[in-house]
Amino acid sequence: AQKVTQAQTEISVVEKEDVTLDCVYETRDTTYYLFWYKQPPSGELVFLIRRNSFDEQNEISGRYSWNFQKSTSSFNFTITASQVVDSAVYFCALSGSGNTGKLIFGQGTTLQVKP
Amino acid sequence: EAGVTQFPSHSVIEKGQTVTLRCDPISGHDNLYWYRRVMGKEIKFLLHFVKESKQDESGMPNNRFLAERTGGTYSTLKVQPAELEDSGVYFCASSQDESYGYTFGSGTRLTVV
Repeated sequence: AQKVTQAQTEISVVEKEDVTLDCVYETRDTTYYLFWYKQPPSGELVFLIRRNSFDEQNEISGRYSWNFQKSTSSFNFTITASQVVDSAVYFCALSGSGNTGKLIFGQGTTLQVKP
Repeated sequence: EAGVTQFPSHSVIEKGQTVTLRCDPISGHDNLYWYRRVMGKEIKFLLHFVKESKQDESGMPNNRFLAERTGGTYSTLKVQPAELEDSGVYFCASSQDESYGYTFGSGTRLTVV
């Protein structure tokens, strides 16, 4: 069975702090995709990143970075120098090959960045 | 290109009433998905259309939920009769292919009172 676990329910930081959101996944597929989505207070789900299982290179996009480690089945997300606008719920998700392409989401981590 | 559009954005109905949610996917996206997030929990898959056909409806909670996608364009999700536990945010997503990722709509917040 596929599963995504985001153990951190809520995180609160002060602006300019770095923060890491953890994501651990379970799958028997050899080919799969991992995603991060952001849900700001306005409600929509905003796509942040997609990574396939064969690409373990870490990725950096501005203040955002992602660390994918197959050995520990983790796909962690770090925000450097956090800002108030980063306050949102962040979801990690998994999509396996051979299925219908549906996403399995984690429970979400609510990040609050205080000024 | 226009994104995924969902109507209405909010709906408040009484228990026992019927509600119909609509999703307009990105033009040309054959794959359309419905998801739901109930209060504080994870976002859960409901079903997947490929064009007008239901590819996977394993996540539909019960027979009070009916999804259609006539003509392979927009989709509707009807809840009849609505129960209190149906309250939550219903998301629609579409994709050309899973390797291209998924685009989500803004969701419909359903409140059953």
